[in-house]
Amino acid sequence: DIQMTQSPSSLSASIGDRITITCRASQSISSYLNWYQQKPGKAPKLLIYAASSLQSGVPSRFSGSGSGTDFTLTISSLQPEDFATYYCQRSYSTPLTFGGGTKVEIK
Amino acid sequence: EVQLVESGGDLVKPGGSLRLSCAASDFIFSNVWMNWVRQAPGKGLEWVGRIKSRTDGGTTDYAAPVKGRFTISRDDSKNTLYLQMNSLKTEDTALYYCATAGAGCCDDAFDFWGQGTMVTVSS
Repeated sequence: DIQMTQSPSSLSASIGDRITITCRASQSISSYLNWYQQKPGKAPKLLIYAASSLQSGVPSRFSGSGSGTDFTLTISSLQPEDFATYYCQRSYSTPLTFGGGTKVEIK
Repeated sequence: EVQLVESGGDLVKPGGSLRLSCAASDFIFSNVWMNWVRQAPGKGLEWVGRIKSRTDGGTTDYAAPVKGRFTISRDDSKNTLYLQMNSLKTEDTALYYCATAGAGCCDDAFDFWGQGTMVTVSS
């Protein structure tokens, strides 16, 4: 099975910072990669699908890129409401594996 | 507004069984592939399995840890998704979410989620 590895597992950043989270697949998954945001006590929320397509209603400071095995989620200017845990997920072919998550904390 | 409401979570002994339900509303349930995702306390997300729409064959796929023990089904007449869990293990303890795949958009990404129902497996 294809493994999804996120890095870092956690990061501390300040309001206004630009941050990048990386997700690496153990084999090529083309652009079949989604990103989710989860806040404590809440269900995950879809941010990005098909590697780079922004879900409706998601602020434009979020962007995704990559294909094949290497993907990134970028937040261009971190806002207070962005402090959360972010997960990548392989789509299309099962198992639809999630990455281990990246917790974004306030510095 | 799309709603997914899970129910059926409980405390159960190892080796026991439980059936979870996910009631869906405000979208054409029969057309949508549905998924179960779980999250152990303090841990990350784990995909459990999915069921395709009837028009796409209605087939199921499962994650390796639950294959042969869990069964996903759907009743399109009741707009309800089910997860039958047998031979439960302590490591199945988690919050179980149902999620749509591409109900409103987004290829097969999980675009709508329920609030989750808690399953605790303990003696």
